[in-house]
Amino acid sequence: DADVTQTPRNRITKTGKRIMLECSQTKGHDRMYWYRQDPGLGLRLIYYSFDVKDINKGEISDGYSVSRQAQAKFSLSLESAIPNQTALYFCATSPSSGANVLTFGAGSRLTVL
Amino acid sequence: GNSVTQMEGPVTLSEEAFLTINCTYTATGYPSLFWYVQYPGEGLQLLLKATKADDKGSNKGFEATYRKETTSFHLEKGSVQVSDSAVYFCALETSYDKVIFGPGTSLSVIP
Repeated sequence: DADVTQTPRNRITKTGKRIMLECSQTKGHDRMYWYRQDPGLGLRLIYYSFDVKDINKGEISDGYSVSRQAQAKFSLSLESAIPNQTALYFCATSPSSGANVLTFGAGSRLTVL
Repeated sequence: GNSVTQMEGPVTLSEEAFLTINCTYTATGYPSLFWYVQYPGEGLQLLLKATKADDKGSNKGFEATYRKETTSFHLEKGSVQVSDSAVYFCALETSYDKVIFGPGTSLSVIP
């Protein structure tokens, strides 16, 4: 099994629908992140969590929310999806000490029509 | 603020050619620097890192040296292979323990 598992891998939805992307990890890392990837823009940080009771906004958090259900689980929600949220979303984890090396999931491709 | 700038892509090279992908950064202090690689259809994975000035990170024939005086971390490989075709991201760790990424450089290696 993968160290970081994202579900679903692909999702097509309509404007206004609520969507949840889930992430689970077996690395035992305290830190978890959600990034969004758009062509030519690289990865931009949406939310991050340094432990179960810690949630922080990243650079593009508007329109998104997150929940850290356990050390191993971190979900991203779009309460009312809009077309410009069409993107590839990545969950990542990292240890809480040493250089901040990220372990990524395989990505969730979301299309909002 | 913190930022990472990479050379524009896409880059197309013949097999066994020399590769350089330029990366410069803006940051306070002495951030750790990284190169990540994304193969088609996959998530990013760490290629190499350097945590202090003059450190050289290396992996799979790729190298990059942390140059504080020029705020650069250029990626090099002496002889690329078709299997190196991927998107390469330069990244830095900010003083708040967040990692920010450059826009990525797509590399295609043709036989």
